[in-house]
Amino acid sequence: GENVEQHPSTLSVQEGDSAVIKCTYSDSASNYFPWYKQELGKRPQLIIDIRSNVGEKKDQRIAVTLNKTAKHFSLHITETQPEDSAVYFCAASSKTSYDKVIFGPGTSLSVIP
Amino acid sequence: GAGVSQTPSNKVTEKGKYVELRCDPISGHTALYWYRQSLGQGPEFLIYFQGTGAADDSGLPNDRFFAVRPEGSVSTLKIQRTERGDSAVYLCASSLTSVPTEQFFGPGTRLTVL
Repeated sequence: GENVEQHPSTLSVQEGDSAVIKCTYSDSASNYFPWYKQELGKRPQLIIDIRSNVGEKKDQRIAVTLNKTAKHFSLHITETQPEDSAVYFCAASSKTSYDKVIFGPGTSLSVIP
Repeated sequence: GAGVSQTPSNKVTEKGKYVELRCDPISGHTALYWYRQSLGQGPEFLIYFQGTGAADDSGLPNDRFFAVRPEGSVSTLKIQRTERGDSAVYLCASSLTSVPTEQFFGPGTRLTVL
């Protein structure tokens, strides 16, 4: 089955700097890659997603890139703000079971004012 | 509109007891998922419903875990003979369709087995 790995597990950046989180997946049939943000004590919320027919997607300060050949995808946050501090989860959904979304272990991002 | 809701928010039980966790998805969402999240980990897939049927229950850890969605809306996750290792936050999520799309999560039920 699908396995999703995520690095780094913790990340600390200065306010205004960029943050990059990288994920790899094992199932070459996966075709949907969402990113969720989970603030302390709250529920995960989708921040951006990408499908395998595109290589990059951007939404204001957030962008995701996908390399299908290498089976990895990355989240890029520019001009980080303290409110970006949270745990970020990448995930992958296999073509063989569209809605079985497998999550990575998470990256705890701290933005230092 | 109302989001996904889960009850109870917290549940403390003794080892060996039976518990039921309830999920109310967003109205009109046909897909419903259950996840288990342990501290410092990502959500772990348990089961996925499309309508009333369990389309994929491959994540249920053993036969002590069972889930139903009899009318295609509210779902109940049932755990028999609870063990201390079952302690975790149980998250429910729903999405509009079965096509890969945004999942909306509930606030979770924190289960503690003493």
